[in-house]
Amino acid sequence: NAGVTQTPKFQVLKTGQSMTLQCAQDMNHEYMSWYRQDPGMGLRLIHYSVGAGITDQGEVPNGYNVSRSTTEDFPLRLLSAAPSQTSVYFCASSSDPSDRLGPTEAFFGQGTRLTVV
Amino acid sequence: GQQVMQIPQYQHVQEGEDFTTYCNSSTTLSNIQWYKQRPGGHPVFLIQLVKSGEVKKQKRLTFQFGEAKKNSSLHITATQTTDVGTYFCAGRTSGTYKYIFGTGTRLKVLA
Repeated sequence: NAGVTQTPKFQVLKTGQSMTLQCAQDMNHEYMSWYRQDPGMGLRLIHYSVGAGITDQGEVPNGYNVSRSTTEDFPLRLLSAAPSQTSVYFCASSSDPSDRLGPTEAFFGQGTRLTVV
Repeated sequence: GQQVMQIPQYQHVQEGEDFTTYCNSSTTLSNIQWYKQRPGGHPVFLIQLVKSGEVKKQKRLTFQFGEAKKNSSLHITATQTTDVGTYFCAGRTSGTYKYIFGTGTRLKVLA
């Protein structure tokens, strides 16, 4: 059982380049989210999705796009990378965001360390 | 918007000492979760609290949810070197699906 898989693990971009961070989960989870982690800032929510075809903005959505065409995949796109987007990016998934059926822990991927120069 | 703060930001303790981290939300929470992240790793779920005043224990870890559901704490008794890492709380407000993470408390345990 792979859980949540993020690719790539490391990436260096030049300012203005675009790229897509991949996230896939094999647990049939409805809820998926993207966070960025910066020193002293904790994890900040970028975008999230409560199911295929449904996405919404988190705390820091500017500069990022997402789509959710399947339950399994939730890619994060940087259209024009900026040095301020240098960070570690985590994708997470959970089964039921409303917790109607009990506690629903989020499972995190291993992270993507992105450097924009 | 919803904000979740944690204190302290860093804590160094001698092995065997106790440790507590506090989480405070600007809004009333529906529930709160706690995660641990080892250095170089990813966050791993520890527990979820839902009820006002709830207290849960996991071996040496004690979690509390405040009566007003705006604050929470994690207490570790007799720390061990395996407790090293950053501890995060994450809160969700009713009617939303967003979990907002706290700023985290980095724990170092000196042997």
